[in-house]
Amino acid sequence: GDSVTQMEGPVTLSEEAFLTINCTYTATGYPSLFWYVQYPGEGLQLLLKATKADDKGSNKGFEATYRKETTSFHLEKGSVQVSDSAVYFCALSDQYQGGSEKLVFGKGTKLTVNP
Amino acid sequence: DGGITQSPKYLFRKEGQNVTLSCEQNLNHDAMYWYRQDPGQGLRLIYYSQIVNDFQKGDIAEGYSVSREKKESFPLTVTSAQKNPTAFYLCASRNRGRLDEQYFGPGTRLTVT
Repeated sequence: GDSVTQMEGPVTLSEEAFLTINCTYTATGYPSLFWYVQYPGEGLQLLLKATKADDKGSNKGFEATYRKETTSFHLEKGSVQVSDSAVYFCALSDQYQGGSEKLVFGKGTKLTVNP
Repeated sequence: DGGITQSPKYLFRKEGQNVTLSCEQNLNHDAMYWYRQDPGQGLRLIYYSQIVNDFQKGDIAEGYSVSREKKESFPLTVTSAQKNPTAFYLCASRNRGRLDEQYFGPGTRLTVT
């Protein structure tokens, strides 16, 4: 079945450092790709998305590019802030899974940003 | 404001008791989902429903049951058959045809002792 693999954490950075969280996927069909963020004690929020190859999703300074040739969707931010501390989930949604429509999540990467 | 409500935020039960977690949405979304989150394991799909009076098992449905009698409500029952019920439970919803925009509730943390 479809799957998502993202780098294991935790990741600890200093404020203004560069962030990369790796995400690769395996899927049949043509999935859409997403990054969700979960702040402590809360549900998940959609951070950004890309629906086809070479699309770049961006939001709040975060970016990720849908790379079909490497089956990757790495999350990047040029300068992290303390408020970015959260758990980040990579996910895919494949509309050709035998008619079912659901998201498949990676295990999450916890990011801590220190002042 | 439109959104998804899960109640209660924290729930405590004794082993052997069934417990029902509430999920309500006023977004007029067709599809609703229940996920279980455990440390280091990400989110795993328990059940989902794409339309009223219909639902399908997800990856870890054993020991759980759901109903979808109304479009806005999708309660989850954790039965005594669920071997490891202590977890964080998340409900989500989306419009059919909009695979990307899945909205999540704030979650319910269930502790069974």
